[in-house]
Amino acid sequence: NAGVTQTPKFRILKIGQSMTLQCAQDMNHNYMYWYRQDPGMGLKLIYYSVGAGITDKGEVPNGYNVSRSTTEDFPLRLELAAPSQTSVYFCASSYSEEGTEAFFGQGTRLTVV
Amino acid sequence: GQNIDQPTEMTATEGAIVQINCTYQTSGFNGLFWYQQHAGEAPTFLSYNVLDGLEEKGRFSSFLSRSKGYSYLLLKELQMKDSASYLCAVMDSNYQLIWGAGTKLIIKP
Repeated sequence: NAGVTQTPKFRILKIGQSMTLQCAQDMNHNYMYWYRQDPGMGLKLIYYSVGAGITDKGEVPNGYNVSRSTTEDFPLRLELAAPSQTSVYFCASSYSEEGTEAFFGQGTRLTVV
Repeated sequence: GQNIDQPTEMTATEGAIVQINCTYQTSGFNGLFWYQQHAGEAPTFLSYNVLDGLEEKGRFSSFLSRSKGYSYLLLKELQMKDSASYLCAVMDSNYQLIWGAGTKLIIKP
């Protein structure tokens, strides 16, 4: 029972490089989310998806892109990495948006230098 | 704006009881969640409150007062493994989760 799987766990990028953070869930959840977590701050929603083919911006979408071609996968793309994107990124999924718990991946610690 | 407030850090003794408070001001309310996050790990779900009152789940209880915009998480019979950050999150009228910065709980022997 894998739950939510995120890769990679750690990554160092140089300014201007690009990368994709992978996220997959095997619980057949419709709702998937990408958050970033900075020290001393609450989780901030970057993008979310309510089902395959549907994505929408969260609170802090600038500098990121997502796609949702299947129910299982929800990759996050960083284009032209900047030091401000240094953070811990969490992917999460839930069965619905109302009152159900979100299941989180183990996180990706990204450093942009 | 939307705001979730909780203490930054608390210290308690093994075997004791601790109460972690959370106050919120959000655009609408569709429930309040508590998550536990150990250092370097992912948040894991603890509790959900949508109606006023106390929800008890083993050593952990969560209370909600919607009229006061207030919740607390009560941890009893503290164990060393309870050392973690506790995150309060409110689901607003758009069903978006607004997260507090978390309360780091330190348990001392």
